[in-house]
Amino acid sequence: DAGVTQSPTHLIKTRGQQVTLRCSPKSGHDTVSWYQQALGQGPQFIFQYYEEEERQRGNFPDRFSGHQFPNYSSELNVNALLLGDSALYLCASSLGQTEQYFGPGTRLTVT
Amino acid sequence: AQSVTQPDIHITVSEGASLELRCNYSYGATPYLFWYVQSPGQGLQLLLKYFSGDTLVQGIKGFEAEFKRSQSSFNLRKPSVHWSDAAEYFCGCDYKLSFGAGTTVTVRA
Repeated sequence: DAGVTQSPTHLIKTRGQQVTLRCSPKSGHDTVSWYQQALGQGPQFIFQYYEEEERQRGNFPDRFSGHQFPNYSSELNVNALLLGDSALYLCASSLGQTEQYFGPGTRLTVT
Repeated sequence: AQSVTQPDIHITVSEGASLELRCNYSYGATPYLFWYVQSPGQGLQLLLKYFSGDTLVQGIKGFEAEFKRSQSSFNLRKPSVHWSDAAEYFCGCDYKLSFGAGTTVTVRA
């Protein structure tokens, strides 16, 4: 049983560019959440998707958007990248609002 | 206002000694509470969770946590620490899916 998978593992982008990160949830899970974890910080909640709709959103600007597909996989898109967007982006899946299982993350570096 | 607070940024403990990590939450209702562990460069692994019922919950790797409503706390404990327990520990709650800033645990021989 595969756990949560994320791609790519690492990514380097330039300021102003756009990026798409991908997440496949654990088998049987229907809810996907995205987090941003800056170096030395705790994960900060970006948003959560359920039934292809954004169910909750944290305090992130509209530059951060997402999507959930019918197979429950999800994408996180970030437009107009800033240096401050450099972080580890974590995806977590769950069955409804039960405990979340995290993927290994995507390390994004913005130069 | 932050929903979850971890007062200790860094704790150093000797191998074989006991460990206690503090977590406080600020939320009107009883939240769902979690503890996760993160090794360097890795994602988060769930150690244990509290939803309701028995306030002392057992987790993996010999960890346990106690929910105390009167103190708004959910502290994590381990009776005897192993060198492999060196990691970053995060307390979280379901209210706005918040996490604390984390506590780094260093284990000395």
